[in-house]
Amino acid sequence: NAGVTQTPKFQVLKTGQSMTLQCAQDMNHEYMSWYRQDPGMGLRLIHYSVGAGITDQGEVPNGYNVSRSTTEDFPLRLLSAAPSQTSVYFCASRELGRELFFGEGSRLTVL
Amino acid sequence: AQRVTQPEKLLSVFKGAPVELKCNYSYSGSPELFWYVQYSRQRLQLLLRHISRESIKGFTADLNKGETSFHLKKPFAQEEDSAMYYCALRFSGNTGKLIFGQGTTLQVKP
Repeated sequence: NAGVTQTPKFQVLKTGQSMTLQCAQDMNHEYMSWYRQDPGMGLRLIHYSVGAGITDQGEVPNGYNVSRSTTEDFPLRLLSAAPSQTSVYFCASRELGRELFFGEGSRLTVL
Repeated sequence: AQRVTQPEKLLSVFKGAPVELKCNYSYSGSPELFWYVQYSRQRLQLLLRHISRESIKGFTADLNKGETSFHLKKPFAQEEDSAMYYCALRFSGNTGKLIFGQGTTLQVKP
């Protein structure tokens, strides 16, 4: 099993550019989520989903869009990147009621 | 508002010393608390959860509802315990979202 796979691992964007961070899991987990990790701020929840077709906002959703068309995939879209979105992004998934499994992270720099 | 607070950014101890990583939470419902750990060059992973009341790698944590705390303790720190530790709160119900504290870096010196 690959677990939770995130791509790309590293990305540099210019302000105003758009991009999508991909997340895929092969464990048939219903729940998927995106976090950003910033020094001194810990992990902050961006968006989450409890199943295909269902998404909801987390603590810091502004500037990010998500969709969940399949159980396996949960992409995170930045429509117009800003320097404040420079961060390390983590995707995580779990069976309902169980522990979270994390991806390796994607380091994004917005210039 | 619901939140998880870890007051220490960095905790530095010598090998063999006791360790206590503090975690306080604010939540109006029935909380489920967890500790996650991130070792260098590894993925974030679950260390322990309050429901199971288990000891993992010598670490324990007790949920104190009166003090709204879930501190992580280990009587004798080892160098391999050096890592980033996150306390996390899951909202009520199995579909509940999970929020994290700011994280504490534990540094165990030889």
